[in-house]
Amino acid sequence: DFVMTQSPDSLAVSLGERATINCKSSHSILYSSNNMNYLAWYQQKPGQPPKLLIKWASSRESGVPDRFSGSGSGTDFTLTISSLQAEDVAVYYCQQYYSSPVTFGPGTKVEIK
Amino acid sequence: QVQLVQSGAEVKKPGASVKVSCKASGYTFTGNFMHWVRQAPGQGLEWMGVLNPTGGSTSYAQRFQGRVTMTRDTSTSTVYMELSSLRSEDTAVYYCARGGVRYSGDPFDYWGQGTLVTVSS
Repeated sequence: DFVMTQSPDSLAVSLGERATINCKSSHSILYSSNNMNYLAWYQQKPGQPPKLLIKWASSRESGVPDRFSGSGSGTDFTLTISSLQAEDVAVYYCQQYYSSPVTFGPGTKVEIK
Repeated sequence: QVQLVQSGAEVKKPGASVKVSCKASGYTFTGNFMHWVRQAPGQGLEWMGVLNPTGGSTSYAQRFQGRVTMTRDTSTSTVYMELSSLRSEDTAVYYCARGGVRYSGDPFDYWGQGTLVTVSS
């Protein structure tokens, strides 16, 4: 199975400041035939299901604010929130869907400092 | 709009079975695979398996093999997840989540609201 790790486990950022979350896969999730990274980011607020924010490592879902961006390739990926807002307090998960079973990272909790 | 509406919370005794439903609407039911993901209290997300609504074929995570069964009813656009031989460690919120057109290779773009299953004697 592909093992996904995330860092940090949690972070506290001041309103308006940048938040950066890292995700690492145990194997490359870059599919050479289409040059796509099979990596998604989800946001989960308390008592709610996860919400898809970013797919293919860097493609924002419709309606997701542009302060959220994804980058990286192969095994190392980053989710950046450029200017943290109060409504961004949540747990963020990365997911690889390159290989079955799909696997998730352990999550990163983002709070306001 | 796409909606996945799950059945209500369940309380079960150890050794029993539970069957959770997920009714889909707002899209062509047979056009997307449906996944099940669970989340134990305070924990992360764990993929359980996936069902192809077109033919009903399934693929399960190894750790649930023999205990989980996923089925569908195309007449009501509903998928079901049944988990047997329940133990306390199965206490979790169970989610259905819409995938793409294959077993893997697509993210999960819509999720049900979740169904809390509590296993307690």
